[in-house]
Amino acid sequence: DGGITQSPKYLFRKEGQNVTLSCEQNLNHDAMYWYRQDPGQGLRLIYYSQIVNDFQKGDIAEGYSVSREKKESFPLTVTSAQKNPTAFYLCAVGQNNQPQHFGDGTRLSIL
Amino acid sequence: GQQLNQSPQSMFIQEGEDVSMNCTSSSIFNTWLWYKQDPGEGPVLLIALYKAGELTSNGRLTAQFGITRKDSFLNISASIPSDVGIYFCAGQPKSNYQLIWGAGTKLIIKP
Repeated sequence: DGGITQSPKYLFRKEGQNVTLSCEQNLNHDAMYWYRQDPGQGLRLIYYSQIVNDFQKGDIAEGYSVSREKKESFPLTVTSAQKNPTAFYLCAVGQNNQPQHFGDGTRLSIL
Repeated sequence: GQQLNQSPQSMFIQEGEDVSMNCTSSSIFNTWLWYKQDPGEGPVLLIALYKAGELTSNGRLTAQFGITRKDSFLNISASIPSDVGIYFCAGQPKSNYQLIWGAGTKLIIKP
């Protein structure tokens, strides 16, 4: 969706390395979300934030960390504790009870 | 936890055929959403449903919010090649904002 920028498009991680995925929005939406998608499966929620300086764990938060220092930005760090990080990562934004809109995703692979 | 059953898992159809897919839940939802995802991209919102019994169209797409609030279906009429992709349903439980996702229906058009 326009207004939601995920970068990079592709990312490679070495064993034992932390990597950070970027999500930026210019839609002025309060809520931001990170999902993980594995082949043939639906989306699973990693973390979400409904307001600046506050965030909550989703269903699969282990091995991930986030921050929400600015309304426009919600970076996701995949830590070395995440033993199976290869996946497609999607960032979404939302406002009140409006539907979520998604960025174009980042595909993370292991070297 | 809450789960959505989305079916069928995949569909092989001829161009011009009508398509029908559905999602069912063991609990009631306040909102039903239907998204389409093309390869390597984020899901794009197709239709949002907010009231039991609601029937909403978007071009050749029609979706309905089941009267029991535990199911929804999506129909595509006269399919065309650009309809290929993965269709996801998502439901928003009454009590919180987090979406519950179906596993997706992969639509393939036979040459």
